[in-house]
Amino acid sequence: EADIYQTPRYLVIGTGKKITLECSQTMGHDKMYWYQQDPGMELHLIHYSYGVNSTEKGDLSSESTVSRIRTEHFPLTLESARPSHTSQYLCASSEHRGEQYFGPGTRLTVT
Amino acid sequence: GQNIDQPTEMTATEGAIVQINCTYQTSGFNGLFWYQQHAGEAPTFLSYNVLDGLEEKGRFSSFLSRSKGYSYLLLKELQMKDSASYLCAVTRRFNKFYFGSGTKLNVKP
Repeated sequence: EADIYQTPRYLVIGTGKKITLECSQTMGHDKMYWYQQDPGMELHLIHYSYGVNSTEKGDLSSESTVSRIRTEHFPLTLESARPSHTSQYLCASSEHRGEQYFGPGTRLTVT
Repeated sequence: GQNIDQPTEMTATEGAIVQINCTYQTSGFNGLFWYQQHAGEAPTFLSYNVLDGLEEKGRFSSFLSRSKGYSYLLLKELQMKDSASYLCAVTRRFNKFYFGSGTKLNVKP
């Protein structure tokens, strides 16, 4: 059983607010990822990290930012939320072989 | 980017066998993963192939042909709980994952 956690699970917030989605894993994995997924659609990589102080943007343009100050923690921040940010955000981490473990996700609704 | 193709949707009967295909084009291929995702939930790992051939894991098996850029996931003795989306993902040197759009499998009684 993988130990990767995301909070909050559900969030409804107004336009223009700053929000941070939390992701933590207790497996000591170096690699962590953030994906965005709309219902019934494919996963889109928005950020990834190979280790502490290493972050890269993914293939999907995103107005969010991430940080990786500690191995176990990979928060994602939206400085000014917009309705177009409404989606599900999935955090994942991977071990050496590459198998990714996913958190339960955060469902974000921006009104 | 990577080109990963899977059928959009399939339907099969409880107790039957179903094969979900995945084709890909990528440079620096280093592994192919299959994930299961139930509606509204996060993906969960099913199988991993890095060498050509068949990997068997209970009712699920996955096959890879690197020369053909082709993989399939085989589900035997289908159960209603197998109704889900099945995602094919390709990795390059254990870095970024590239996911296909997923195949929605409907299992009917």
